[in-house]
Amino acid sequence: SQTIHQWPATLVQPVGSPLSLECTVEGTSNPNLYWYRQAAGRGLQLLFYSVGIGQISSEVPQNLSASRPQDRQFILSSKKLLLSDSGFYLCAWRRQGRLTEAFFGQGTRLTVV
Amino acid sequence: AQSVTQPDIHITVSEGASLELRCNYSYGATPYLFWYVQSPGQGLQLLLKYFSGDTLVQGIKGFEAEFKRSQSSFNLRKPSVHWSDAAEYFCAVGAVFSGNQFYFGTGTSLTVIP
Repeated sequence: SQTIHQWPATLVQPVGSPLSLECTVEGTSNPNLYWYRQAAGRGLQLLFYSVGIGQISSEVPQNLSASRPQDRQFILSSKKLLLSDSGFYLCAWRRQGRLTEAFFGQGTRLTVV
Repeated sequence: AQSVTQPDIHITVSEGASLELRCNYSYGATPYLFWYVQSPGQGLQLLLKYFSGDTLVQGIKGFEAEFKRSQSSFNLRKPSVHWSDAAEYFCAVGAVFSGNQFYFGTGTSLTVIP
């Protein structure tokens, strides 16, 4: 069966520090991968998605970047965190092809102080 | 542009009462529609999905949703709410073919009172 791992679960970082959140998927190959941010009262905002290694699409201009160095690894990064980067970050994957739903990780609670 | 609207930010219902959560979408192509549930501090779990066929779809935990193309709606319903249903509910629309965006509404927070 397929599983998705996301870590760390919680993170407190000072303003101006770097960020690296990692997401890996097991049990499938060539998944589509997504990073979402969930801010209080604002639902889920799609940040990045990837259809293959090294292929990243950005949905919104921001202080964050994403990379996909391996087929089942998706990393969310920042060189210098802002207070506004605080939120709940969710990684998700979806099978290639038609009629597929997305499966989510357990999320990372990031607090920038 | 694709979008999903959940008009109700917060809903409170009594245990045992019926529930309907509203969802309206805007999508240029054939939509693939979903409802997800999120418990506090957790990821999202799929409740049900719709692509084609019978416009009334059944999901897990006794939930169902009805697709109405004329109203661009995909409302979630449950005949009798349980206290364990208290959570955040998200409606989403996605492309038929994967590799494309998956858009979510802002969510509806459900409180269940005894």
